Amino acid sequence: EDQVTQSPEALRLQEGESSSLNCSYTVSGLRGLFWYRQDPGKGPEFLFTLYSAGEEKEKERLKATLTKKESFLHITAPKPEDSATYLCAVQGAMNRDDKIIFGKGTRLHILP
Amino acid sequence: KAGVTQTPRYLIKTRGQQVTLSCSPISGHRSVSWYQQTPGQGLQFLFEYFSETQRNKGNFPGRFSGRQFSNSRSEMNVSTLELGDSALYLCASRTEPRPNYGYTFGSGTRLTVV
Repeated sequence: EDQVTQSPEALRLQEGESSSLNCSYTVSGLRGLFWYRQDPGKGPEFLFTLYSAGEEKEKERLKATLTKKESFLHITAPKPEDSATYLCAVQGAMNRDDKIIFGKGTRLHILP
Repeated sequence: KAGVTQTPRYLIKTRGQQVTLSCSPISGHRSVSWYQQTPGQGLQFLFEYFSETQRNKGNFPGRFSGRQFSNSRSEMNVSTLELGDSALYLCASRTEPRPNYGYTFGSGTRLTVV
């Protein structure tokens, strides 16, 4: 069964202190790995899709990378407005049952 | 353009009752998925609809059901509500159910069962 595990569950950083969030996945036939950001009281907001090992994507202070077993979301010089829950999700299998499975997320808190 | 609209935003129901939640996707999006989000379990997949057909379903009891209309709007229904059904129910839409189309989520319906 497809599984997504995110670590750490929670992370507190000082403003400007760079770090990485981890997403480990088990899926048969990865079709896409997704990163989302969720603010309290809102739905998740799409950040990136990665398709194959070695792929990287960047957006402002965020950079997502992908290997055959895990993905990292690197946050460079974060600001307080980057505080949110970051969710990783995968879509696998080349059949009708290609639902997207989410991890439980990493709660990131950036202290000013 | 307008985002994904979910109604109502908040709902309080009594155990044993039933509830219907509504989702209007972004114009042009034909795929609608529903998720249940709780602090302990995170986001759990309920079902996905595309062109009025249910494509797949998560591991939820038959009390959870849904449908999609010809204009792509979707509803989900929960019958015989239990306390454990209290959660944030999120609807997400995308053009097609393919990886190169990311989800756009609504703000959710917060359901409280008392």
